[in-house]
Amino acid sequence: DTAVSQTPKYLVTQMGNDKSIKCEQNLGHDTMYWYKQDSKKFLKIMFSYNNKELIINETVPNRFSPKSPDKAHLNLHINSLELGDSAVYFCASSQEGTGTTTDTQYFGPGTRLTVL
Amino acid sequence: AQTVTQSQPEMSVQEAETVTLSCTYDTSESDYYLFWYKQPPSRQMILVIRQEAYKQQNATENRFSVNFQKAAKSFSLKISDSQLGDAAMYFCAYSWVGKLIFGQGTTLQVKP
Repeated sequence: DTAVSQTPKYLVTQMGNDKSIKCEQNLGHDTMYWYKQDSKKFLKIMFSYNNKELIINETVPNRFSPKSPDKAHLNLHINSLELGDSAVYFCASSQEGTGTTTDTQYFGPGTRLTVL
Repeated sequence: AQTVTQSQPEMSVQEAETVTLSCTYDTSESDYYLFWYKQPPSRQMILVIRQEAYKQQNATENRFSVNFQKAAKSFSLKISDSQLGDAAMYFCAYSWVGKLIFGQGTTLQVKP
């Protein structure tokens, strides 16, 4: 069974469209994250949620809106897609993560978003 | 601000030999965690090993071990008996207030 899953794995869309990426974890973890990996492979955190509450918001454009319906799910909705949004987006989860440094984060398989 | 630096964009190793990947970081904190993640061509991020800063003993996981030098803020990864399946991009990461700060990555090539 997949611990952290994301759908879709690939997403190709036109500039200006709105799209969503879904993430689910079956590890029973309390905290979930979104990371962006750019074309140079650099990984940077975007958001984290603990038990449905937003904890980290790393100065991401407000076109990006995370939504956590429950602690096992964290979706990422992107409005008015731009060329620069093309990247791989990773979801991750950890046991706690509420401002602690102790928790190992487990990653999903990533979603490659291509904006044309 | 916390930063993580991997100064080797690419490394190569002969199968069955040993290779060391370097990582340095900058922090004013005394309690933190460090990680190495592996990203093969499948792009899945796989945890390789983690080190708690308060532990003096270096972490080991089978063929993978770290050399953690807290005063020097250095955290290198040693891969022994390299295998073809070790070929991947390796990321060093520092955990701070619930978020991972990653280095730029090192691409490891394993030659048969």
